[in-house]
Amino acid sequence: GNSVTQMEGPVTLSEEAFLTINCTYTATGYPSLFWYVQYPGEGLQLLLKATKADDKGSNKGFEATYRKETTSFHLEKGSVQVSDSAVYFCALTPQAQKLVFGQGTRLTINP
Amino acid sequence: EAGVTQFPSHSVIEKGQTVTLRCDPISGHDNLYWYRRVMGKEIKFLLHFVKESKQDESGMPNNRFLAERTGGTYSTLKVQPAELEDSGVYFCASSLLTSGTGAGELFFGEGSRLTVL
Repeated sequence: GNSVTQMEGPVTLSEEAFLTINCTYTATGYPSLFWYVQYPGEGLQLLLKATKADDKGSNKGFEATYRKETTSFHLEKGSVQVSDSAVYFCALTPQAQKLVFGQGTRLTINP
Repeated sequence: EAGVTQFPSHSVIEKGQTVTLRCDPISGHDNLYWYRRVMGKEIKFLLHFVKESKQDESGMPNNRFLAERTGGTYSTLKVQPAELEDSGVYFCASSLLTSGTGAGELFFGEGSRLTVL
């Protein structure tokens, strides 16, 4: 079946630290991969995506590369800010159908 | 342009009672989805409407859950009777596309938190 496994949180970092949130997946076929983010008091919003192997998605300083050989889509940011505090969800769509999410990782950035 | 709106934002009910959650998608979005996140775990798919038709309801947990989308606009999700394990956050999402590179770009509401006591 299709599933997503994320690094367990919560994750707490200091401002300007380097961030990695691990995400690995199991899927049939060639899914598209996504990172969604939920800021406090808001709905989930798409952060970035990649639709095929070796694609790199990027947005707001965040990056993730679709690695088919390791079935991974790790989220990285070189220097986090307090405003990046949120819950991050890795997800995939098998064959353009419903999203399958990971369990979410709560990130807190301290000033 | 208004985003996806959900009501209520938080509902507290007793076991055995009924609750109805409402979702207003972005205008013009034919696709409407319901998801649920229980106890800080992964967000799980419940069902998918295309306009007023149920395209996929494979994630609905049991027959205590009833979703409708009359006229292909807003949707309701009714839980009757509610059980303790139904507590969680219910997210609604809408989208314009279900194929091609735009697929998977869902626009989510803030969620409706349901607490069953």
